[in-house]
Amino acid sequence: GAGVSQSPSNKVTEKGKDVELRCDPISGHTALYWYRQSLGQGLEFLIYFQGNSAPDKSGLPSDRFSAERTGGSVSTLTIQRTQQEDSAVYLCASSWLSGSSYEQYFGPGTRLTVT
Amino acid sequence: KQEVTQIPAALSVPEGENLVLNCSFTDSAIYNLQWFRQDPGKGLTSLLLIQSSQREQTSGRLNASLDKSSGRSTLYIAASQPGDSATYLCAVSPRNDMRFGAGTRLTVKP
Repeated sequence: GAGVSQSPSNKVTEKGKDVELRCDPISGHTALYWYRQSLGQGLEFLIYFQGNSAPDKSGLPSDRFSAERTGGSVSTLTIQRTQQEDSAVYLCASSWLSGSSYEQYFGPGTRLTVT
Repeated sequence: KQEVTQIPAALSVPEGENLVLNCSFTDSAIYNLQWFRQDPGKGLTSLLLIQSSQREQTSGRLNASLDKSSGRSTLYIAASQPGDSATYLCAVSPRNDMRFGAGTRLTVKP
Protein backbone atom coordinates (compact mmCIF):
# COMPACT_ATOMS: atom_id res chain seq x y z
CA GLY A 1 0.00 0.00 0.00
CA ALA A 2 0.95 3.65 -0.22
CA GLY A 3 3.40 4.92 2.35
CA VAL A 4 4.03 8.40 3.66
CA SER A 5 4.75 10.80 0.83
CA GLN A 6 6.39 14.21 0.97
CA SER A 7 6.75 16.99 -1.53
CA PRO A 8 8.82 18.50 -2.90
CA SER A 9 11.70 16.05 -2.63
CA ASN A 10 14.16 18.91 -3.01
CA LYS A 11 13.73 22.64 -2.48
CA VAL A 12 16.30 25.35 -3.01
CA THR A 13 15.31 28.80 -1.81
CA GLU A 14 16.92 32.14 -1.19
CA LYS A 15 17.47 33.40 2.30
CA GLY A 16 14.49 35.38 3.51
CA LYS A 17 11.89 33.58 1.40
CA ASP A 18 9.04 31.51 2.83
CA VAL A 19 8.74 27.79 2.04
CA GLU A 20 6.00 25.20 2.43
CA LEU A 21 6.68 21.50 2.80
CA ARG A 22 3.90 18.97 2.38
CA CYS A 23 3.30 15.60 3.98
CA ASP A 24 0.68 13.01 3.03
CA PRO A 25 0.46 10.43 5.81
CA ILE A 26 -0.65 6.84 5.45
CA SER A 27 -4.42 6.74 5.14
CA GLY A 28 -6.09 6.19 8.50
CA HIS A 29 -3.07 7.13 10.60
CA THR A 30 -4.18 9.53 13.31
CA ALA A 31 -0.77 10.73 14.45
CA LEU A 32 1.61 12.79 12.33
CA TYR A 33 5.12 13.98 13.20
CA TRP A 34 7.65 16.36 11.69
CA TYR A 35 11.40 15.98 12.24
CA ARG A 36 14.46 17.53 10.72
CA GLN A 37 17.91 16.16 10.15
CA SER A 38 20.67 18.71 9.76
CA LEU A 39 23.98 17.79 8.13
CA GLY A 40 26.12 15.82 10.55
CA GLN A 41 23.47 15.88 13.26
CA GLY A 42 20.83 13.53 14.51
CA LEU A 43 17.12 13.71 13.97
CA GLU A 44 15.34 16.47 15.82
CA PHE A 45 11.65 16.42 16.72
CA LEU A 46 9.69 19.47 15.58
CA ILE A 47 5.94 19.03 16.01
CA TYR A 48 3.30 16.35 16.54
CA PHE A 49 -0.41 16.12 15.63
CA GLN A 50 -2.87 13.64 17.11
CA GLY A 51 -6.43 13.65 15.81
CA ASN A 52 -8.24 16.87 16.73
CA SER A 53 -6.10 17.59 19.76
CA ALA A 54 -3.93 20.68 19.99
CA PRO A 55 -0.55 19.93 18.40
CA ASP A 56 2.58 19.46 20.46
CA LYS A 57 4.81 22.28 19.18
CA SER A 58 7.52 21.87 21.77
CA GLY A 59 10.22 21.06 19.21
CA LEU A 60 9.76 24.04 16.88
CA PRO A 61 13.07 25.98 16.96
CA SER A 62 11.58 29.45 16.45
CA ASP A 63 8.36 31.29 15.68
CA ARG A 64 9.32 31.28 12.00
CA PHE A 65 8.26 27.64 11.96
CA SER A 66 4.61 26.61 11.91
CA ALA A 67 2.60 23.61 10.81
CA GLU A 68 -0.98 22.77 10.01
CA ARG A 69 -2.86 19.55 9.53
CA THR A 70 -6.05 19.95 7.57
CA GLY A 71 -8.91 17.51 7.91
CA GLY A 72 -6.80 15.21 10.03
CA SER A 73 -4.77 14.15 7.02
CA VAL A 74 -2.35 16.24 4.95
CA SER A 75 0.09 18.44 6.84
CA THR A 76 2.06 21.50 5.76
CA LEU A 77 5.20 22.72 7.48
CA THR A 78 5.86 26.40 6.78
CA ILE A 79 9.14 28.17 7.38
CA GLN A 80 9.00 31.93 7.11
CA ARG A 81 11.97 34.17 6.31
CA THR A 82 14.27 31.18 5.81
CA GLN A 83 17.80 31.29 7.15
CA GLN A 84 20.81 29.27 6.06
CA GLU A 85 20.71 27.27 9.29
CA ASP A 86 17.28 26.00 8.22
CA SER A 87 18.98 23.90 5.55
CA ALA A 88 18.24 20.29 6.43
CA VAL A 89 16.21 17.25 5.46
CA TYR A 90 12.69 17.55 6.82
CA LEU A 91 11.09 14.20 7.56
CA CYS A 92 7.45 13.44 8.18
CA ALA A 93 6.16 10.31 9.89
CA SER A 94 2.74 8.92 10.74
CA SER A 95 1.38 6.23 13.00
CA TRP A 96 -1.96 4.75 14.06
CA LEU A 97 -1.76 6.24 17.51
CA SER A 98 0.74 8.32 19.39
CA GLY A 99 3.42 7.13 21.79
CA SER A 100 2.86 3.62 23.22
CA SER A 101 3.27 0.69 20.93
CA TYR A 102 2.62 2.05 17.50
CA GLU A 103 5.32 2.24 14.88
CA GLN A 104 6.12 5.43 13.10
CA TYR A 105 6.43 5.20 9.32
CA PHE A 106 8.63 7.78 7.68
CA GLY A 107 8.40 9.55 4.36
CA PRO A 108 11.42 10.04 2.08
CA GLY A 109 11.96 13.59 3.30
CA THR A 110 12.32 17.01 1.72
CA ARG A 111 15.85 18.31 1.32
CA LEU A 112 15.78 22.07 1.90
CA THR A 113 18.72 24.21 0.87
CA VAL A 114 18.74 27.88 1.76
CA THR A 115 21.24 29.90 -0.26
CA LYS B 1 15.93 15.08 29.43
CA GLN B 2 16.20 11.89 27.40
CA GLU B 3 19.62 11.37 25.82
CA VAL B 4 20.22 8.56 23.32
CA THR B 5 23.75 7.43 22.55
CA GLN B 6 24.90 4.98 19.92
CA ILE B 7 28.22 3.20 19.90
CA PRO B 8 30.21 2.83 17.75
CA ALA B 9 29.73 5.85 15.49
CA ALA B 10 31.11 3.88 12.56
CA LEU B 11 31.86 0.23 11.96
CA SER B 12 33.49 -1.59 9.05
CA VAL B 13 33.37 -5.38 8.84
CA PRO B 14 34.04 -8.03 6.20
CA GLU B 15 31.08 -9.77 4.64
CA GLY B 16 29.75 -12.71 6.63
CA GLU B 17 30.59 -11.40 10.09
CA ASN B 18 28.06 -11.20 12.89
CA LEU B 19 27.94 -7.78 14.53
CA VAL B 20 26.31 -5.86 17.36
CA LEU B 21 25.26 -2.22 17.42
CA ASN B 22 24.67 -0.58 20.79
CA CYS B 23 22.17 2.00 21.93
CA SER B 24 21.83 3.50 25.41
CA PHE B 25 19.26 5.93 26.79
CA THR B 26 19.19 7.88 30.03
CA ASP B 27 15.49 7.76 30.97
CA SER B 28 13.95 4.31 31.28
CA ALA B 29 10.39 5.70 31.14
CA ILE B 30 9.84 4.86 27.49
CA TYR B 31 6.89 3.49 25.56
CA ASN B 32 8.94 1.71 22.95
CA LEU B 33 12.28 1.58 21.18
CA GLN B 34 12.66 1.42 17.44
CA TRP B 35 15.61 0.62 15.20
CA PHE B 36 15.76 2.24 11.77
CA ARG B 37 17.96 2.00 8.75
CA GLN B 38 18.83 5.06 6.67
CA ASP B 39 20.45 4.81 3.27
CA PRO B 40 22.29 7.85 1.86
CA GLY B 41 19.85 10.43 0.54
CA LYS B 42 16.86 8.35 1.60
CA GLY B 43 14.31 8.41 4.40
CA LEU B 44 14.12 6.05 7.33
CA THR B 45 13.09 2.41 7.11
CA SER B 46 11.78 0.81 10.28
CA LEU B 47 13.57 -2.43 11.10
CA LEU B 48 12.29 -3.51 14.49
CA LEU B 49 9.99 -2.08 17.15
CA ILE B 50 10.29 -3.28 20.75
CA GLN B 51 7.49 -2.34 23.10
CA SER B 52 8.42 -1.38 26.64
CA SER B 53 7.03 -4.67 27.96
CA GLN B 54 9.11 -6.77 25.56
CA ARG B 55 12.69 -7.96 25.81
CA GLU B 56 13.49 -8.63 22.17
CA GLN B 57 12.25 -8.76 18.62
CA THR B 58 13.53 -10.71 15.63
CA SER B 59 13.19 -10.23 11.90
CA GLY B 60 15.23 -12.40 9.58
CA ARG B 61 18.91 -11.86 10.30
CA LEU B 62 18.15 -9.05 12.74
CA ASN B 63 17.59 -9.36 16.46
CA ALA B 64 17.03 -6.43 18.78
CA SER B 65 17.03 -6.62 22.56
CA LEU B 66 15.82 -4.16 25.16
CA ASP B 67 16.84 -3.83 28.79
CA LYS B 68 14.82 -0.91 30.13
CA SER B 69 16.27 -1.04 33.63
CA SER B 70 19.80 -0.50 32.38
CA GLY B 71 18.77 1.79 29.53
CA ARG B 72 20.28 -0.35 26.80
CA SER B 73 19.36 -1.90 23.50
CA THR B 74 21.41 -3.90 21.05
CA LEU B 75 20.85 -4.68 17.38
CA TYR B 76 22.43 -7.95 16.31
CA ILE B 77 22.99 -8.54 12.60
CA ALA B 78 23.89 -12.09 11.62
CA ALA B 79 25.91 -13.03 8.55
CA SER B 80 26.33 -9.45 7.37
CA GLN B 81 26.07 -8.64 3.67
CA PRO B 82 27.26 -5.65 1.61
CA GLY B 83 23.61 -4.67 1.22
CA ASP B 84 23.46 -4.11 4.97
CA SER B 85 25.72 -1.07 4.56
CA ALA B 86 23.76 1.93 5.86
CA THR B 87 23.36 4.11 8.93
CA TYR B 88 21.44 2.45 11.73
CA LEU B 89 19.46 4.69 14.08
CA CYS B 90 18.01 3.87 17.46
CA ALA B 91 15.03 5.89 18.72
CA VAL B 92 13.04 5.84 21.95
CA SER B 93 9.52 7.14 22.49
CA PRO B 94 9.18 8.83 25.86
CA ARG B 95 6.00 10.72 25.03
CA ASN B 96 4.57 12.00 21.78
CA ASP B 97 7.86 12.30 20.00
CA MET B 98 10.86 10.12 19.38
CA ARG B 99 14.40 10.81 20.55
CA PHE B 100 17.05 9.60 18.16
CA GLY B 101 20.65 8.60 18.58
CA ALA B 102 23.23 9.94 16.17
CA GLY B 103 23.44 6.58 14.44
CA THR B 104 26.06 3.98 13.59
CA ARG B 105 27.41 4.04 10.04
CA LEU B 106 27.95 0.44 9.00
CA THR B 107 30.07 -0.65 6.05
CA VAL B 108 30.14 -4.31 5.06
CA LYS B 109 33.02 -5.04 2.70
CA PRO B 110 32.64 -7.75 0.05
